Amino acid sequence: DAGITQSPRHKVTETGTPVTLRCHQTENHRYMYWYRQDPGHGLRLIHYSYGVKDTDKGEVSDGYSVSRSKTEDFLLTLESATSSQTSVYFCAISERDNGYTFGSGTRLTVV
Amino acid sequence: SQQGEEDPQALSIQEGENATMNCSYKTSINNLQWYRQNSGRGLVHLILIRSNEREKHSGRLRVTLDTSKKSSSLLITASRAADTASYFCATVHTGTASKLTFGTGTRLQVTL
Repeated sequence: DAGITQSPRHKVTETGTPVTLRCHQTENHRYMYWYRQDPGHGLRLIHYSYGVKDTDKGEVSDGYSVSRSKTEDFLLTLESATSSQTSVYFCAISERDNGYTFGSGTRLTVV
Repeated sequence: SQQGEEDPQALSIQEGENATMNCSYKTSINNLQWYRQNSGRGLVHLILIRSNEREKHSGRLRVTLDTSKKSSSLLITASRAADTASYFCATVHTGTASKLTFGTGTRLQVTL
């Protein structure tokens, strides 16, 4: 989607390795989110940010950390990847009380 | 969990027919939103309805909200094959800033 990009689009990694996913926005939106999407669960919030260096946990934050050192970038790190973290990861941006704009997703496979 | 539920899980209709999807949620909300997701793609925001609104329209989309029943419905009129996608409702619950909680979605198939 215009204004938000995720990288990489696909990644295969080994169990136990650290992995970092990047979300970059050009919209100057205050709020940024990381979700994971799994069959039967819909989208579940991992972490979110409401400003530079202001982050908080979501519903499924165990095993994940985030950082936001600039308005435009929100990084998601899997500290030690496990097979249960195989998923599609979506980043989203918003301004308060408005709809989200989603990125195209990162398909992560942990083998 | 505050996660909502959509009904039905899957819906198959013919082009030109109307499609209705329902969403229920558990706790009070600030607003409710509907999103579309085409296979292998990100989600696209369709419409937002606030807790003090009862109905909203956008093109062929009509959304209703009944806060007393904690439910919403999305109606797509005169459906087209291009409407084939998964549709998700998502809620911003009172006291949760702008965090969206998603339902599990309805998969809509529109056939020619």
